[in-house]
Amino acid sequence: QITLKESGPTLVKPTQTLTLTCTLSGLSLSTGGVGVGWIRQPPGKALEWLALIYWNDDKRFRPSLKSRLTITKDSSKNQVVLTMTNMDPMDTATYYCAHDTRDVNWYGYFKHWGQGTRVTVSS
Amino acid sequence: QSVLTQPPSASGTPGQRVTIFCSGSSSNIGSKPVTWFQQLPGTAPKLVMYSNNERPSGVPDRFSGSKSGTSAFLDISGLQSDDEAEYYCASWDGSLNGYVFGTGTKVTVL
Repeated sequence: QITLKESGPTLVKPTQTLTLTCTLSGLSLSTGGVGVGWIRQPPGKALEWLALIYWNDDKRFRPSLKSRLTITKDSSKNQVVLTMTNMDPMDTATYYCAHDTRDVNWYGYFKHWGQGTRVTVSS
Repeated sequence: QSVLTQPPSASGTPGQRVTIFCSGSSSNIGSKPVTWFQQLPGTAPKLVMYSNNERPSGVPDRFSGSKSGTSAFLDISGLQSDDEAEYYCASWDGSLNGYVFGTGTKVTVL
């Protein structure tokens, strides 16, 4: 059974840096084809993809947020860490991590999701 | 700002069929497979369709997916009360080099 669990602060102040950790179970970050993505959802709004890291350490970022995002993985701990700098109240959202897997044609899709962690940005 | 456009709402009575569409462009839906997620209130999204028309294990065959050009469709037949949820489409965008999600469609069972 594959599970993902997000952890991190529930409240951050404007201009601070947010650090979120995604811990994976039943899935190895060293396995070819495996990726982990971060997606957020502001209250009452749509899903928004943020970043993605693959088993081979290849990384992708949402262009509009690329300068603020860092994504890293620790295969020994089976964890993926997302950092977002210069947090703003507009970044208030539920942040999800998700397992990106490959279909038969090697296209990726998010198959398993964590429960999400709510982050509020307020002074 | 979502790149994929969906109607805000769709509805039907129990047993009816509902179709949700997702409109994109040549850089995403037009050239890459589409995924669909179901999100019940207060919960994480759940995968209900991938590779345009593949159902994950456990998703009833009342759900089906298709794609034509730069649009994708999710059909729910035999509508049931527990199908009431928000549905999102998603695809890879070759121009943005990342995933894009739809604006979401709230399905209501009348």
